[in-house]
Amino acid sequence: GAVVSQHPSRVICKSGTSVKIECRSLDFQATTMFWYRQFPKQSLMLMATSNEGSKATYEQGVEKDKFLINHASLTLSTLTVTSAHPEDSSFYICSAHKALWGKDGPQATNEKLFFGSGTQLSVL
Amino acid sequence: KNQVEQSPQSLIILEGKNCTLQCNYTVSPFSNLRWYKQDTGRGPVSLTIMTFSENTKSNGRYTATLDADTKQSSLHITASQLSDSASYICVVSLDRGSTLGRLYFGRGTQLTVWP
Repeated sequence: GAVVSQHPSRVICKSGTSVKIECRSLDFQATTMFWYRQFPKQSLMLMATSNEGSKATYEQGVEKDKFLINHASLTLSTLTVTSAHPEDSSFYICSAHKALWGKDGPQATNEKLFFGSGTQLSVL
Repeated sequence: KNQVEQSPQSLIILEGKNCTLQCNYTVSPFSNLRWYKQDTGRGPVSLTIMTFSENTKSNGRYTATLDADTKQSSLHITASQLSDSASYICVVSLDRGSTLGRLYFGRGTQLTVWP
């Protein structure tokens, strides 16, 4: 089955540093990837939609200068938490939608959706 | 307002017993409904996915049902095992035709299986 690799699985950093999280689709191309944040015992909250080759679309209330997203290829999206603070400590998860190739090029679909294993960020 | 509500919030059962988790949604127009299992500190893993025309789908000891008229779904776990202890999340997709529809997540049901 399709696999989405997320790295690192856990990171501890000092306040003020930046942390990069990678999300890779290992055996399929993903035109669209999503980044979520999850607090303990809470649902996944969508932070942003990452589209290959274009700027990410951020949800209301999510600072785009704080959470930098880059989707440079069809298999890799990165989330960089800049100048991290303790309140940024959370569990971050990505999801990748497998692209289906049609006559108009790759199209994302809700049918083929795979989640990464998550990254636990702890900012001291 | 598009929402997904799950019940119960938490559940404790003994190993070998069956249980049923509930999901009610108001997402419209509806595309599909998924159940995921999420172990602590891990990403969600897909159990089942159902579209409007599907009433039931099984995956081993997991059986999901869908009533699109009442907008309700259930996940039945048979002969529970200790490894079933996890959070079970209901996710409903909005139908936007050929465009990728937004996903709506429930808060999950935390299942604990005791020996």
